[in-house]
Amino acid sequence: ETGVTQTPRHLVMGMTNKKSLKCEQHLGHNAMYWYKQSAKKPLELMFVYNFKEQTENNSVPSRFSPECPNSSHLFLHLHTLQPEDSALYLCASSQEWSEDTQYFGPGTRLTVL
Amino acid sequence: SQQGEEDPQALSIQEGENATMNCSYKTSINNLQWYRQNSGRGLVHLILIRSNEREKHSGRLRVTLDTSKKSSSLLITASRAADTASYFCATARGAGSYQLTFGKGTKLSVIP
Repeated sequence: ETGVTQTPRHLVMGMTNKKSLKCEQHLGHNAMYWYKQSAKKPLELMFVYNFKEQTENNSVPSRFSPECPNSSHLFLHLHTLQPEDSALYLCASSQEWSEDTQYFGPGTRLTVL
Repeated sequence: SQQGEEDPQALSIQEGENATMNCSYKTSINNLQWYRQNSGRGLVHLILIRSNEREKHSGRLRVTLDTSKKSSSLLITASRAADTASYFCATARGAGSYQLTFGKGTKLSVIP
């Protein structure tokens, strides 16, 4: 897990707040991903960045705004979230944007009140 | 449509026993991967098996793939309490889609 770090590990926010999740990978990978994991649902891919360029946006609401300033860092900016957005948000990286192994961070447990 | 689906949803065994989890999928794949997730943590990659492979081993793990039945199994031999976790299969469909599609997982409990 030390290869991909995420901060904060836990976040509680109101629906009118603005917050950001941070992910950093120390593996020299070129692709990074945001996933959402809700109870009793499969892991949902939200965004993919390859060499800092967004390559996938799986119909994610605009209240989630990703940012990838370089290949090592990935942010997820949150604003005016809904209670149903409460979930575990996982960041992952892979050597290339491909179908091979992904390395996950520990996740940020988000609670929206 | 959901690609990978694990079975059973939950499994409870005694330490030392073998644990078998199954994954079924619907469309053709390039590879299938198994991941483990300890409670509330990130996923850890266990093993990847490509569509032209039938069986792979890694330590106490054995994965089989039957593309004709669109199914895979993960066997953990001589289970330990530390194997308690959720196990997910993820399929890679190829055809220009680089997304992994995950199932809902099997929750394994190994009782000491």
